Amino acid sequence: AQSVAQPEDQVNVAEGNPLTVKCTYSVSGNPYLFWYVQYPNRGLQFLLKYITGDNLVKGSYGFEAEFNKSQTSFHLKKPSALVSDSALYFCAVRDVRGSYIPTFGRGTSLIVHP
Amino acid sequence: EAGVAQSPRYKIIEKRQSVAFWCNPISGHATLYWYQQILGQGPKLLIQFQNNGVVDDSQLPKDRFSAERLKGVDSTLKIQPAKLEDSAVYLCASSSLAGVFHEQYFGPGTRLTVT
Repeated sequence: AQSVAQPEDQVNVAEGNPLTVKCTYSVSGNPYLFWYVQYPNRGLQFLLKYITGDNLVKGSYGFEAEFNKSQTSFHLKKPSALVSDSALYFCAVRDVRGSYIPTFGRGTSLIVHP
Repeated sequence: EAGVAQSPRYKIIEKRQSVAFWCNPISGHATLYWYQQILGQGPKLLIQFQNNGVVDDSQLPKDRFSAERLKGVDSTLKIQPAKLEDSAVYLCASSSLAGVFHEQYFGPGTRLTVT
């Protein structure tokens, strides 16, 4: 069965500093990986995805993520954090050869301090 | 373009009562998803439609939950009868195609409280 782990419930970073939100996955086949962001009282918004090709994926709002097959990870990164980046971030995986059901992680709360 | 619409935004009911949620996906999106998001957890897929057909409902508690998408556009999710553990945010999402690599667009959700 496929699974996603977001090992940190909360990440704190100062504005202007780089940020990383971690995600690891487990699938039987090749993964399709996604990051979504959820602002208070709003639905999830798509940030970026990895399907195939370049391991470094660039997405919305200056975010990027690096796919690492050997470490089964897909960490979300941003070179310089903004206070407005404070939100709940979800990693999700779909297995190319397994279940079509998208599996989401528990979410990581990112807090950017001024 | 208009986003995914959901109503109501909030609902409070007593256990054993019935409740229904409505979703209108982005125009032209053939695939529609219903998720349950319990506080502190990630969204859990309940059911996926492709047009008006069910693609997957393996995680839908069919003894009390039902969903339909009769004309391949709007969808309703019903709970009858509700239990305390059904308290959650119910999210509707849509995507242009059913493929596993297509991103989903989410509505604002309906927060259900069962007392």
